[in-house]
Amino acid sequence: SQQGEEDPQALSIQEGENATMNCSYKTSINNLQWYRQNSGRGLVHLILIRSNEREKHSGRLRVTLDTSKKSSSLLITASRAADTASYFCATDPWSGTASKLTFGTGTRLQVTL
Amino acid sequence: ETGVTQSPTHLIKTRGQQVTLRCSSQSGHNTVSWYQQALGQGPQFIFQYYREEENGRGNFPPRFSGLQFPNYSSELNVNALELDDSALYLCASSLTGQSNEKLFFGSGTQLSVL
Repeated sequence: SQQGEEDPQALSIQEGENATMNCSYKTSINNLQWYRQNSGRGLVHLILIRSNEREKHSGRLRVTLDTSKKSSSLLITASRAADTASYFCATDPWSGTASKLTFGTGTRLQVTL
Repeated sequence: ETGVTQSPTHLIKTRGQQVTLRCSSQSGHNTVSWYQQALGQGPQFIFQYYREEENGRGNFPPRFSGLQFPNYSSELNVNALELDDSALYLCASSLTGQSNEKLFFGSGTQLSVL
């Protein structure tokens, strides 16, 4: 079963605008990761935020985590056409065992020229 | 490129048949996980192998089985295929399978069951 959901399910913006995607999850977590997927192929890791972190940056990406609300957001600044993809959040349940990620349903981002 | 390779890229089978999907992990990684992704959904965890032993399993029936070899490559076997098994099957490797590690995904095998 899906751990959580991304919101919105689909997002269409123009190049240069910012894109914000939200993720909600259900159980306590050890960390949360964001992945990107082009055209239904392999996923690429973007960023990992630990449960004791509130914000993290990587290039044009900014991720926030609110464990009290069980939610995270991914902000892509100054978007480019090449950012067009599906974006998934994935949680690693607080079990102390090896990582078995639970993915959300994804946000499909379309960036137009 | 992640260094994780999967074969074949596409496969068509009929209901009731058996299928084997293959994955080569990134060099130095001893953990491999398999995920099933239905159209329009996020990947669902099938199972994970660490040093040739199954190390956790998702909510999938026993007809989904796997192997990991001494070189850390892996196979996913599905018996008695059902129409709902049609999906993209993704293999992912990680260094040791511990929490806080990112996964490196292959490009997947698209399985169609007719």
